[in-house]
Amino acid sequence: SSELTQDPAVSVALGQTVRITCQGDSLRSYYASWYQQKPGQAPVLVIYGKNNRPSGIPDRFSGSSSGNTASLTITGAQAEDEADYYCNSRDSSEVVFGGGTKLTVL
Amino acid sequence: QITLKESGPTLVKPTQTLTLTCTFSGFSLSTSGVGVGWIRQPPGKALEWLALIYWNDDKRYSPSLKSRLTITKDTSKNQVVLTMTNMDPVDTATYYCAHRDLGLDAFDIWGQGTMVTVSS
Repeated sequence: SSELTQDPAVSVALGQTVRITCQGDSLRSYYASWYQQKPGQAPVLVIYGKNNRPSGIPDRFSGSSSGNTASLTITGAQAEDEADYYCNSRDSSEVVFGGGTKLTVL
Repeated sequence: QITLKESGPTLVKPTQTLTLTCTFSGFSLSTSGVGVGWIRQPPGKALEWLALIYWNDDKRYSPSLKSRLTITKDTSKNQVVLTMTNMDPVDTATYYCAHRDLGLDAFDIWGQGTMVTVSS
């Protein structure tokens, strides 16, 4: 079965740029989507496809991909961006989530 | 506006079968490209995809749980039902349903989730 690997924790200073990565073989063929989850809340889609943001997601969130690695970049991180972030992709038959990255905004 | 809401028991005993219902509005599961998935999250742990059903009744299951899961849809009631057999305490989790569109290839709208505890 497919697997997606994320760093467990990342920190960023307020206003700085942070990149959260996701690695997996399926990413060579399929785009990742990214979800933000705050404590006690359901996940929220922040990036999908090549680099698309749903309505209401700030443009400081962006996505990119190269080889087997997908990245979520937050340019000018805000205090409200502190959350868990999950990548998600699929292969021909299944869907898979990464293990999540806890983002701390210092 | 798309909304989804999960419902089902909050407590089940080990070995019992769990039945969860996702009731949705704002879209139809008979529309081409539309799907509904189930995802769970044990307390303090990561999201885990469970199952997915599409408008054409194509069904996909997590390989590690496939033998225990069944997903069905009732288009007339706007509902998707997930059953999981032989429940175990490790299945204690918040269970989410979510809307999926083939064009987005992502779960764009999520329900609020329902917490299920497995305990005798």
